[in-house]
Amino acid sequence: GAVVSQHPSWVICKSGTSVKIECRSLDFQATTMFWYRQFPKQSLMLMATSNEGSKATYEQGVEKDKFLINHASLTLSTLTVTSAHPEDSSFYICSGGSKGAGHEQYFGPGTRLTVT
Amino acid sequence: AQSVTQPDIHITVSEGASLELRCNYSYGATPYLFWYVQSPGQGLQLLLKYFSGDTLVQGIKGFEAEFKRSQSSFNLRKPSVHWSDAAEYFCAVGGGYNKLIFGAGTRLAVHP
Repeated sequence: GAVVSQHPSWVICKSGTSVKIECRSLDFQATTMFWYRQFPKQSLMLMATSNEGSKATYEQGVEKDKFLINHASLTLSTLTVTSAHPEDSSFYICSGGSKGAGHEQYFGPGTRLTVT
Repeated sequence: AQSVTQPDIHITVSEGASLELRCNYSYGATPYLFWYVQSPGQGLQLLLKYFSGDTLVQGIKGFEAEFKRSQSSFNLRKPSVHWSDAAEYFCAVGGGYNKLIFGAGTRLAVHP
């Protein structure tokens, strides 16, 4: 089945620094990748959608200058949290969708970010 | 606008008992519906999906769901719950641009 990996699985960074999270589709071409944020005991909130080779489309209320998303290839997307602050601490999950698969998405295991 | 409602935030069942998790959706056209399961600290695993055809769909781990258009529902069921089924369950509907719209989730606890 379709497998998506994320790296790192958890990261701790100091306030004011930037951190990059990688999302890779291991056995399929992810023409579209989605980035979600999940607060404890809450649902997933879509942050942005990215298509390979195009700029990401951000959801309303998501700061695109703070959450930089790059989707340079069909198997890799990255999310960079710039100038991180404690309120950015969260669980970040990516998913990939392939052409012709419609709404079906394959989810990564998530990355726990803690900003101190 | 599309939306998904999962009325039950938390459900507790005894191991071996049957389970039904409720999901109601709001969508103008024929919906694409999904159920995902999330174990603590993990990503989401697809249990089953409905696109068209037979309204009773079978999924992995012994789960099934029934699409009822008249009730705008897509409830998840399992005849006999195992302790390993304790997790968070999310219902989702496909929205525009291949996005998924998730419900708030139902946390399932299983008593031995």
